[in-house]
Amino acid sequence: RKEVEQDPGPFNVPEGATVAFNCTYSNSASQSFFWYRQDCRKEPKLLMSVYSSGNEDGRFTAQLNRASQYISLLIRDSKLSDSATYLCVVKTNAGKSTFGDGTTLTVKP
Amino acid sequence: GAGVSQSPSNKVTEKGKDVELRCDPISGHTALYWYRQSLGQGLEFLIYFQGNSAPDKSGLPSDRFSAERTGGSVSTLTIQRTQQEDSAVYLCASSLEGGANTGELFFGEGSRLTVL
Repeated sequence: RKEVEQDPGPFNVPEGATVAFNCTYSNSASQSFFWYRQDCRKEPKLLMSVYSSGNEDGRFTAQLNRASQYISLLIRDSKLSDSATYLCVVKTNAGKSTFGDGTTLTVKP
Repeated sequence: GAGVSQSPSNKVTEKGKDVELRCDPISGHTALYWYRQSLGQGLEFLIYFQGNSAPDKSGLPSDRFSAERTGGSVSTLTIQRTQQEDSAVYLCASSLEGGANTGELFFGEGSRLTVL
């Protein structure tokens, strides 16, 4: 079983739709959680950190459930420019960051 | 300021040859990671350096792979006797760890390795 698991998708949604991605992790010693975005043939870049109380950044909302070892990302009012692969990242207190394989989103007009 | 710099950006080599990939992290970043990404796949962890601690080499796929980080800065990933399955993009990332830092990883643009 992989340390970090994501539904690979692809998710194909129309502009304006709301879409949610899920991620589960197996290492209970995990301490920090993030969502990264990777555009085609580009390097990953941080989208947002995920805090225990949940956090929002514009149209993006991240949630963490430590008991279930589950992380989510909600995108509201999808834009064409949101099309990318979204990577769930889990970091242990030893500092090692492990990436999920990513969920691919395509937003269509 | 300069970001993470990797070289070469592209490398084509013949099976059995050795290759060296270089990563120059952001100045002052204490942590450095190597990942590789095959086409259409996720990021596979290879190795992690943090300050003066012993590196976490748990992701290196075989003893043909090795990495070093000199002076806590530049890192070199060496692949000996390359095989076709080594073909991938090798991504380096650095981060500033400790205190209130989020530990955000800053990636280089990667070194695309093709083994013929």
